Amino acid sequence: KAGVTQTPRYLIKTRGQQVTLSCSPISGHRSVSWYQQTPGQGLQFLFEYFSETQRNKGNFPGRFSGRQFSNSRSEMNVSTLELGDSALYLCASSLQTPGSSYGYTFGSGTRLTVV
Amino acid sequence: AQSVTQLGSHVSVSEGALVLLRCNYSSSVPPYLFWYVQYPNQGLQLLLKYTSAATLVKGINGFEAEFKKSETSFHLTKPSAHMSDAAEYFCAVSDNTDKLIFGTGTRLQVFP
Repeated sequence: KAGVTQTPRYLIKTRGQQVTLSCSPISGHRSVSWYQQTPGQGLQFLFEYFSETQRNKGNFPGRFSGRQFSNSRSEMNVSTLELGDSALYLCASSLQTPGSSYGYTFGSGTRLTVV
Repeated sequence: AQSVTQLGSHVSVSEGALVLLRCNYSSSVPPYLFWYVQYPNQGLQLLLKYTSAATLVKGINGFEAEFKKSETSFHLTKPSAHMSDAAEYFCAVSDNTDKLIFGTGTRLQVFP
């Protein structure tokens, strides 16, 4: 059974650009969550999608957005990149929502570097 | 508001020694609790989870954790450390609203 797949694994962007990250959940999983991991702030929740609807959102500026498709694949977009957006972005999938009782499976992440 | 405190950002043990990683949580509702491990340049791997069933939870790779409501703790233990256990460990809490609140992590070093 394939795990959670995130693409690309590594990305380098310039300040002011925008970026789109992709996440394919485990087959059959309908909930997808996104987290940002930085040395200074640790792991922080970005948002969660279920059945193409955003169900929960963390405390991030509007430059951070996401969406989920009918096949449960999800993308997140960051516009007008800032140096502080450099981070490991992790995607997690769960069978249903809320996911806590089912457990979350994380992907290997996308390492974004903003220069 | 929920929160998680992991005591000790770094823990060092000798191979074969007991591993004890501490986690205390704050939650106004019965919590769901998790331990995850992260190896360099990798994502998070679930070690174990507590979802209000048995208070002693056994996970993968010989790890286990005990939920103690009176102490609001969920410490992770392993009787005998192995070199391959060297990694960063994260405790997380959820009130079942789709969001995990993570602790700041504990880096475990294992010496031969």
